[in-house]
Amino acid sequence: DTGVSQDPRHKITKRGQNVTFRCDPISEHNRLYWYRQTLGQGPEFLTYFQNEAQLEKSRLLSDRFSAERPKGSFSTLEIQRTEQGDSAMYLCASSLTGTGPKSYEQYFGPGTRLTVT
Amino acid sequence: AQSVAQPEDQVNVAEGNPLTVKCTYSVSGNPYLFWYVQYPNRGLQFLLKYITGDNLVKGSYGFEAEFNKSQTSFHLKKPSALVSDSALYFCAVRDDQTGANNLFFGTGTRLTVIP
Repeated sequence: DTGVSQDPRHKITKRGQNVTFRCDPISEHNRLYWYRQTLGQGPEFLTYFQNEAQLEKSRLLSDRFSAERPKGSFSTLEIQRTEQGDSAMYLCASSLTGTGPKSYEQYFGPGTRLTVT
Repeated sequence: AQSVAQPEDQVNVAEGNPLTVKCTYSVSGNPYLFWYVQYPNRGLQFLLKYITGDNLVKGSYGFEAEFNKSQTSFHLKKPSALVSDSALYFCAVRDDQTGANNLFFGTGTRLTVIP
């Protein structure tokens, strides 16, 4: 399977704990995106990488959220001091770089469902 | 700032009948429009996009969408619905605020195809 993968698929944690999620994009995709989806809503953009550079992070929900993509391949999203309001599905997507029509197509992973108790 | 409206939370259609899932948008500049489908416990799957060109866009699984600039709409259509089309459908636009080509999504429409 050469699609976007995410790990873990489910995470249950207690309030105040830190959690980290991993995303492995499609191998030839340079762009990587993180989104959050809450129940009954569409995905909400969080942050964006092109290769290893995090080019947009103004939409991260608070300073408790951070993301890395150290070698331009997989990425991690960390939430520190989790709160119950962080419970959601966290989605990763990747796309080609450039300006051709295919570069606008984002391919999503299955998501990590976080439950904060 | 951009916006996407999916006015129907739920659409029911009989199997074999044509289906339409509605979407209207507001963006500054040229619209880049997308439809995604989400099945239970799975990520979003890309169906089709409009960037430029013909107003009628054909996509995966027999779906198509019509871009209407004057009505700022991008409705998703299929001539004959299948029970397996039952899923959550999201319309999205390219975010015109970030420069990241990220997507700005509507709230989704749940399609149920009745056998």
